[in-house]
Amino acid sequence: GDSVTQTEGQVALSEEDFLTIHCNYSASGYPALFWYVQYPGEGPQFLFRASRDKEKGSSRGFEATYDKGTTSFHLRKASVQESDSAVYYCALGGTGSNRLTFGKGTKFSLIP
Amino acid sequence: EAAVTQSPRNKVTVTGGNVTLSCRQTNSHNYMYWYRQDTGHGLRLIHYSYGAGNLQIGDVPDGYKATRTTQEDFFLLLELASPSQTSLYFCASSEGDWGGEQYFGPGTRLTVL
Repeated sequence: GDSVTQTEGQVALSEEDFLTIHCNYSASGYPALFWYVQYPGEGPQFLFRASRDKEKGSSRGFEATYDKGTTSFHLRKASVQESDSAVYYCALGGTGSNRLTFGKGTKFSLIP
Repeated sequence: EAAVTQSPRNKVTVTGGNVTLSCRQTNSHNYMYWYRQDTGHGLRLIHYSYGAGNLQIGDVPDGYKATRTTQEDFFLLLELASPSQTSLYFCASSEGDWGGEQYFGPGTRLTVL
């Protein structure tokens, strides 16, 4: 079945550091790929998606590029701030059913 | 913007008890979903529905029933609650375009003693 792997369970960085959260997927067909963000005490929110190879999704300074060759959709941000502290979920969909498959999430926090 | 509300926001019950979690969306979305969120497991899909009277099984359905009574309302039922069902439950809705974008509610924290 479809699956999403996020390799980092937790990431801690200093302000203005470069953030990368890795996401790899396994799916039949040609999935759409998503990033969601969850702030403390809230439900997850859609961040952006990409639907085809080499397409870049972006929002709020975050970006990711769909790479079919390496089955990846890594999340990146050039300069992190305190407000970026959250849990980030990679997800895939569009493989024949109207549902998403989520990764286990990556918690990002700022080193004080 | 789509609005998804959940009730109750917190619930404590005992092993073997009956629990109903409620979800309402007000944006006329076709699809609604129930997830549970647990540390180390992320978001896992329990059940989902594409309209009143419809039910689709998700990835972790054991011990849960669900019912979609109207386009707006989706309920999750735990008829014999167990401690393993202690979790944070989220409801979400979407128009059904490849399952995303999904709009999530604020969550219900359930504790089964």
